[in-house]
Amino acid sequence: AQSVTQLDSQVPVFEEAPVELRCNYSSSVSVYLFWYVQYPNQGLQLLLKYLSGSTLVKGINGFEAEFNKSQTSFHLRKPSVHISDTAEYFCAVSERSSASKIIFGSGTRLSIRP
Amino acid sequence: DTAVSQTPKYLVTQMGNDKSIKCEQNLGHDTMYWYKQDSKKFLKIMFSYNNKELIINETVPNRFSPKSPDKAHLNLHINSLELGDSAVYFCASSQNYGYTFGSGTRLTVV
Repeated sequence: AQSVTQLDSQVPVFEEAPVELRCNYSSSVSVYLFWYVQYPNQGLQLLLKYLSGSTLVKGINGFEAEFNKSQTSFHLRKPSVHISDTAEYFCAVSERSSASKIIFGSGTRLSIRP
Repeated sequence: DTAVSQTPKYLVTQMGNDKSIKCEQNLGHDTMYWYKQDSKKFLKIMFSYNNKELIINETVPNRFSPKSPDKAHLNLHINSLELGDSAVYFCASSQNYGYTFGSGTRLTVV
């Protein structure tokens, strides 16, 4: 079984500052990794995903994440945040098999201060 | 064109009632899911169907019954609603490790 741990429930940062949202996973099999964003009162939008290949994955809105197998981490980063990045961010994992469920972390609320 | 659409978007109902939430996807995906997001934003899978066949049934009260008339639709019926059922319910579909979520149905039981 897989599990996902998001170490920070809330991350406050100033506008234009860099940010890192941490994610660690646990699994006995190979996995795919995802980051989703949920803006207030909206659904889930895919930011980026790691399936294979390069460990540095670039997503939408200037976000990127790096897969680190030895540390079982998939941290999300952005070099300069904007007010519009205020949202809940979810790290997620699924097994490398078709029709597999996706397991979510508990979420990190990113709040941007002007 | 909405890829995964859920109806209704909001649902307010009294305890003890029976209600349904509908989900349709036009992506041609084989697999569909229902997730529940509680008041603390935690997302938990409830069910998954692959080509109309139930493949995942997590620990969910049997008051919840999913139905998939075809692979583009996955509906969720809830009997005897309880206060604790209040949550946002998300439908999703997937194919080849790409998951697409609906915009959610906010269920409030009063």
